[in-house]
Amino acid sequence: DAKTTQPTSMDCAEGRAANLPCNHSTISGNEYVYWYRQIHSQGPQYIIHGLKNNETNEMASLIITEDRKSSTLILPHATLRDTAVYYCIVRVAWSGAGSYQLTFGKGTKLSVIP
Amino acid sequence: ETGVTQSPTHLIKTRGQQVTLRCSSQSGHNTVSWYQQALGQGPQFIFQYYREEENGRGNFPPRFSGLQFPNYSSELNVNALELDDSALYLCASTDTGYEQYFGPGTRLTVT
Repeated sequence: DAKTTQPTSMDCAEGRAANLPCNHSTISGNEYVYWYRQIHSQGPQYIIHGLKNNETNEMASLIITEDRKSSTLILPHATLRDTAVYYCIVRVAWSGAGSYQLTFGKGTKLSVIP
Repeated sequence: ETGVTQSPTHLIKTRGQQVTLRCSSQSGHNTVSWYQQALGQGPQFIFQYYREEENGRGNFPPRFSGLQFPNYSSELNVNALELDDSALYLCASTDTGYEQYFGPGTRLTVT
């Protein structure tokens, strides 16, 4: 699976958009970009994933550059409850039995400031 | 709430002992994965079970073993505990293959 690079930490004012970048310059054509987050003392939570088109769900938007070498997770109106570690993970689509393995890095610690 | 529960919440063991951690998945989730998370690090994949068979393993020694049961529950067993085994242990279950649902974890301390 391709390696990802994320900033160690970021701050965002409450109510503003939080834009979390991720670099995955060695991504292959069949690899997806996944985002998970982990709020303190809880298990990771799935946010969103995409291949090459921009994706949006009730939690966030995922913007993937045309060359797919980087992406940005956008939380449109950050709240204090969005304070967490955000993990960007790249991996191939899963087609075998069971499910894929997640390879977590250290992620980005997002602090939402009142 | 993910519908995935783990027990116990916290556990203290002595080096050399054995421990069993438990996970209860959502009904219908036929795949469960276990992860180890050391303090300040991201979770590391231990192994995965699919329909009660081991279906992949990370870089962990054989003293880490598991079981998955037909009632969507599973166990992680660790023998001969070492101090470095102190960590948060997470289980994650899924049925679709793309979204994994994590439990809250078990905090294991080895003294």
